[in-house]
Amino acid sequence: DAKTTQPNSMESNEEEPVHLPCNHSTISGTDYIHWYRQLPSQGPEYVIHGLTSNVNNRMASLAIAEDRKSSTLILHRATLRDAAVYYCILQTPYSGGGADGLTFGKGTHLIIQP
Amino acid sequence: EAQVTQNPRYLITVTGKKLTVTCSQNMNHEYMSWYRQDPGLGLRQIYYSMNVEVTDKGDVPEGYKVSRKEKRNFPLILESPSPNQTSLYFCASQQGYNQPQHFGDGTRLSIL
Repeated sequence: DAKTTQPNSMESNEEEPVHLPCNHSTISGTDYIHWYRQLPSQGPEYVIHGLTSNVNNRMASLAIAEDRKSSTLILHRATLRDAAVYYCILQTPYSGGGADGLTFGKGTHLIIQP
Repeated sequence: EAQVTQNPRYLITVTGKKLTVTCSQNMNHEYMSWYRQDPGLGLRQIYYSMNVEVTDKGDVPEGYKVSRKEKRNFPLILESPSPNQTSLYFCASQQGYNQPQHFGDGTRLSIL
């Protein structure tokens, strides 16, 4: 399975933009890039996903490098409620052979300073 | 409100005593999954189901059973729990493959 590499932790100030990097140098052409976050004592929460083009939604933006070997999750204006562990995950096309779920690594622990 | 509901949220039990963790979703999703989360290991998929009566093993299926008799429900069964199954468990559902997954709030199991 293609793997992702994220910094263990990052710190940012409230109301400033946050750029969370993810490296996935072994990504295949059909792998989707998913981002989830997990707030303390909660289940993971979907943030955004994409394949090749940059994506925007109400929560965040996803910038995907042209060679797809890296991506960046952008929180445009961080709040204290954005403090969470952020996971960058690759999902391969369905193969029918089992273990087709999301493989969560350790993620990036985002700390927001007031 | 769209949600995935797990019960119980917390359970302390003893080795060998069969238990079931229920999971229900109200979004008419086709896919459902079970994960366990352990410190230092992240979330790992236990079982998943693509539709009613269709289930398949994930990364760590040993010691677990599931069933999918109805679309909305996907219970996780531990026939003979052991201490190494002490963990935080999450159920998730999604409309289709590669669609966003919706997670429940988790069930913390302690097997003594």
